[in-house]
Amino acid sequence: DAGVTQSPTHLIKTRGQHVTLRCSPISGHKSVSWYQQVLGQGPQFIFQYYEKEERGRGNFPDRFSARQFPNYSSELNVNALLLGDSALYLCASSFLFHRPGPSYEQYFGPGTRLTVT
Amino acid sequence: ILNVEQSPQSLHVQEGDSTNFTCSFPSSNFYALHWYRWETAKSPEALFVMTLNGDEKKKGRISATLNTKEGYSYLYIKGSQPEDSATYLCAFFPPGSSNTGKLIFGQGTTLQVKP
Repeated sequence: DAGVTQSPTHLIKTRGQHVTLRCSPISGHKSVSWYQQVLGQGPQFIFQYYEKEERGRGNFPDRFSARQFPNYSSELNVNALLLGDSALYLCASSFLFHRPGPSYEQYFGPGTRLTVT
Repeated sequence: ILNVEQSPQSLHVQEGDSTNFTCSFPSSNFYALHWYRWETAKSPEALFVMTLNGDEKKKGRISATLNTKEGYSYLYIKGSQPEDSATYLCAFFPPGSSNTGKLIFGQGTTLQVKP
């Protein structure tokens, strides 16, 4: 079975530009979460979507937005890029989003490395 | 502000050594704690999800314990092998986030096992 896939793998953008990152969850998974990981830190929660609705938002500015499609894939959009947005963006999928235990294990994709120059 | 701390930040051991590291989290309002292993150039991989005080979980040579009253979890690796080299992340899932799915991650412990 295919795991979580993300595209593109790497991306270089200029300050002020817009970027769209894509994520396809594991088949059957209805929840997708997005995380930002800066070197030396743990992943920081950005958004979670479940059944196409935003269910959680981290402490990120409004330049960050996301959506989930009927096939449960998701896009993360970042407008007006800043140098500080350079990071690895991870997508994770899970079946149920709010129960503890194995059903809430998150399955991560390999990430998209975004560099803003 | 909820904070998850991991120590040490990095660790170098010889093949065959046993090792352990710590994850500290707020002891009040506990819901679940996750451990992930993240090898270079790969995706983070779930190791354990722990929910009950006193939980002990094991997968091969790796095991974890949980103390929710004092707010810590230990991850143990017995007889470390070079393939255990990775960053080990813990993540805290506090109540109140059940409708958001928000996991709070520590900064990770990077383990290097020398042959």
